[in-house]
Amino acid sequence: DGGITQSPKYLFRKEGQNVTLSCEQNLNHDAMYWYRQDPGQGLRLIYYSQIVNDFQKGDIAEGYSVSREKKESFPLTVTSAQKNPTAFYLCASKGDPNTGELFFGEGSRLTVL
Amino acid sequence: AQSVSQHNHHVILSEAASLELGCNYSYGGTVNLFWYVQYPGQHLQLLLKYFSGDPLVKGIKGFEAEFIKSKFSFNLRKPSVQWSDTAEYFCAVRLSGGGADGLTFGKGTHLIIQP
Repeated sequence: DGGITQSPKYLFRKEGQNVTLSCEQNLNHDAMYWYRQDPGQGLRLIYYSQIVNDFQKGDIAEGYSVSREKKESFPLTVTSAQKNPTAFYLCASKGDPNTGELFFGEGSRLTVL
Repeated sequence: AQSVSQHNHHVILSEAASLELGCNYSYGGTVNLFWYVQYPGQHLQLLLKYFSGDPLVKGIKGFEAEFIKSKFSFNLRKPSVQWSDTAEYFCAVRLSGGGADGLTFGKGTHLIIQP
C-alpha cells in the first residue's frame, strides 16, 4: 500500500534533548511538508522540501531542522531551542502539483516532560 | 500572507440535523480550496477540493462545499449528519500556481454529533 509512514507515534523526552521524527513515503512524490498541530491552532507549516537536497523554512521554523537526502525520507529534528515542543506533528507529501492536494501521515505526538 | 478563518471552533448537532461550517480566506487572487477531515485517531484525509469550474463541489460521505468568490468563502455543508461525522474539520487554501509552500489551514472546527 502506498502512503506516508511516521514514527514513532508517541514520544516522550526530557527538556533539553533533541528529538528526531521520521517520515517516509512510497508515493514517489517530490514535495514533502512538516506541520505542527496544536489544539485550537490548526496546522502550521514548519518546513517543506520541493525536491531532494532542498528545503525551505515555513511559518514556524525556529527550533526545528530537517534534511532531505532521499526522495522518500524527510526527517524532522525538534531541537532544544524549540521553546514549546509538546505538540502533534504531521508529515505530508504533495500529490498533484496542479491542485496542491496533500496526503498526510498519521502523525507523531511528542510530549516533553 | 493569506489566512483562513473558520467561524466555529466547536459545533454540537443531533443526528439528522443539517450542517454548515463556515470558511473564509483573505487572498484576492486565484486560489485552490480544500476541506480536510480528521476522525478520532486517524490521519487527515481530503473531503473535497475546489480547483476550477463548477463552484459547487461534491466530496466524499455526502459532503459538499460552495465556492463564492465575491464573499471569499468556501463553506462546507451536509444535509443530514450522522454520528460517524464526529471529527475535526479543517479548511485550507493554496494560491493557484504557487505550490511551493503547501497549504494554509484554518484553526479547525470540532464537530460532535449526538445520537
